[in-house]
Amino acid sequence: SYVLTQPPSVSVAPGQTARITCGGNNIGSKSVHWYQQKPGQAPVLVVYDDSDRPSGIPERFSGSNSGNTATLTISRVEAGDEADYYCQVWDSSSDHHVVFGGGTKLTVL
Amino acid sequence: QVQLVQSGAEVKKPGASVKVSCKASGYTFTSYGITWVRQAPGQGLEWMGWISAYNGNTNYAQKLQGRVTMTTDTSTTTAYMELRSLRSDDTAVYYCARGYSYGSGWFDPWGQGTLVTVSS
Repeated sequence: SYVLTQPPSVSVAPGQTARITCGGNNIGSKSVHWYQQKPGQAPVLVVYDDSDRPSGIPERFSGSNSGNTATLTISRVEAGDEADYYCQVWDSSSDHHVVFGGGTKLTVL
Repeated sequence: QVQLVQSGAEVKKPGASVKVSCKASGYTFTSYGITWVRQAPGQGLEWMGWISAYNGNTNYAQKLQGRVTMTTDTSTTTAYMELRSLRSDDTAVYYCARGYSYGSGWFDPWGQGTLVTVSS
């Protein structure tokens, strides 16, 4: 089945840039979506179709996808960005047709 | 605004069943589908399945086949997820989320989540 690999944690100082990766076999051929989840809350979509932002999501959030790695980039990180981030793709060959990465905890130092 | 509101927390004994509801508002219910995702305590997101609100077609994660049933009621714009033969490892927060089409796309928005606790 298809596996998405994320680093368990990423730490960054306020004002700096955070990059959260999502690795998968030829993931560049798939559309990747990213979700932010704060403690005790439901996930929120922050990037869809690799690099598009839903309305209401700051321009500081951006995405890219090529080869075997998709990346969520958060520029000018703020304390309020501290959360878990999950990538997601569809893969009909998997037992779970929707595959989520294991999640990355973003810590703002 | 588009909104999904789920039913309240449940406590069930092993072997029992649970049915979680997800009330949709703010959009044309039958133009989208609903996916269900669960999250065990301290763990990541696990996809459970999908139902089309247009025609009721379903697709379930293989590991839950035979134990899960997803339905919709278009008259009340509500989706339901029933899980049977509950085990302790079914303890999780269960989320519904709107999706446009099966096989592609993102999920937005999500319901607030329903905690299901399975304990003797």
